[in-house]
Formats: sequence, structure tokens, C-alpha cells
Amino acid sequence: DAGVIQSPRHEVTEMGQEVTLRCKPISGHNSLFWYRQTMMRGLELLIYFNNNVPIDDSGMPEDRFSAKMPNASFSTLKIQPSEPRDSAVYFCASSRSNYGYTFGSGTRLTVV
Amino acid sequence: TQLLEQSPQFLSIQEGENLTVYCNSSSVFSSLQWYRQEPGEGPVLLVTVVTGGEVKKLKRLTFQFGDARKDSSLHITAAQTGDTGLYLCAGLSSGTYKYIFGTGTRLKVLA
Repeated sequence: DAGVIQSPRHEVTEMGQEVTLRCKPISGHNSLFWYRQTMMRGLELLIYFNNNVPIDDSGMPEDRFSAKMPNASFSTLKIQPSEPRDSAVYFCASSRSNYGYTFGSGTRLTVV
Repeated sequence: TQLLEQSPQFLSIQEGENLTVYCNSSSVFSSLQWYRQEPGEGPVLLVTVVTGGEVKKLKRLTFQFGDARKDSSLHITAAQTGDTGLYLCAGLSSGTYKYIFGTGTRLKVLA
């Protein structure tokens, strides 16, 4: 199993640009989570999908952030427009019924 | 808001030493997990504990869940440089679906 696959690994963009982060969860996992990690705030849950349906998006910072899961094998997190304070490492994780999360390697986003 | 406080925040020790890191909360958790995260990678699950007082061992790592299921500890015996990383605890409350992550302990083991 290739694990949770995220792309890109690194993204540098200018303020105001649209950013799309991608995630392929582990096959058979029915839950998918997007997290953001910073030194100041640690790991923050942004949104949780169960069986491709968004269940809890209360962690999404504001309307500039949106996430989709069109099918069981793909999810995207979009930031439009991006701001410097969005700079962080974004992780996608998947699990089967909360039996421990498998995290991807993350996308390091820098907004200049 | 549930909070999981981890201590110490930073720890630097010599190879061969023993150490304990702590994860504390005022909330009761139905299960608690420990993860290790290495630079440039995502957290990797080490263990899940579900019963108050439970002790689990993973080679040189010993994990304990508090009797009241509000706290946990991770003890490492004879630390090695490969143990270097960020250790995160994560708690799941009854009736919820999401783990809340702790603030993390950043461990550096020096050769």
C-alpha cells in the first residue's frame, strides 16, 4: 500500500493566488481529514469527511478555504485567495472508522 | 474546548538516557493515541490505549493511560538518536469522531 499520497510536497505562491492541495487516501478508508500544522498552533483539524460527505468543517478558517471529496479516492483543499498567514504544512489523513489515522507527508505551503 | 497539554515542550537528552513525556487533560477520553513525527513527514501512529490504567509496550517505549482516562505518559528507555522527533498525543471523547491533538513534545537525542 502506498499510504496517503499528497501533492504537491511544496508550494510557493504569491498572495492573492489560488492554491489547490490534493490528497489520495488509502483504499478502503472511509474517513478523511485535512489538518494544518504550524509552530504556534500545532495540528488543527480543518475538515472531516466520512464516506465522501463533509461532516464537520467548523475548523475551516474562513470562506477562502474550501474542500471537496468527489469520490472515495480523491480530495482537494483549495485556498482562494491565499494570504501570507495561510503559510503552514497541510496534512491529509485517512482512517477506517477511527482505528488510528494514517497521515500523508504533507504539503508545505508558503504564501509570499 | 478540550485541551491536551503535553510536557515538557522541548527535551534534549544524551543517547542512553531514560525519559518520560506527559499528556494531560481535564477531559475524559474513550481512547488515546500517541504519534511520532519526523521532520518533513506526517505523524505516524505508535499506539492506541483504551482502558484506564492500561500499559502497552513497544520495544523501548512504554505507554500508560491514566486510571481516570484523562492523562497518559510515554516512557522511553535507553533513548537512541532514532527516537528524535515530535511526539503527539491525541484523545477521542466518547460519542465523537475526531481525535484532538496535543501540543506536542519535541525530543532531540544527542549521540
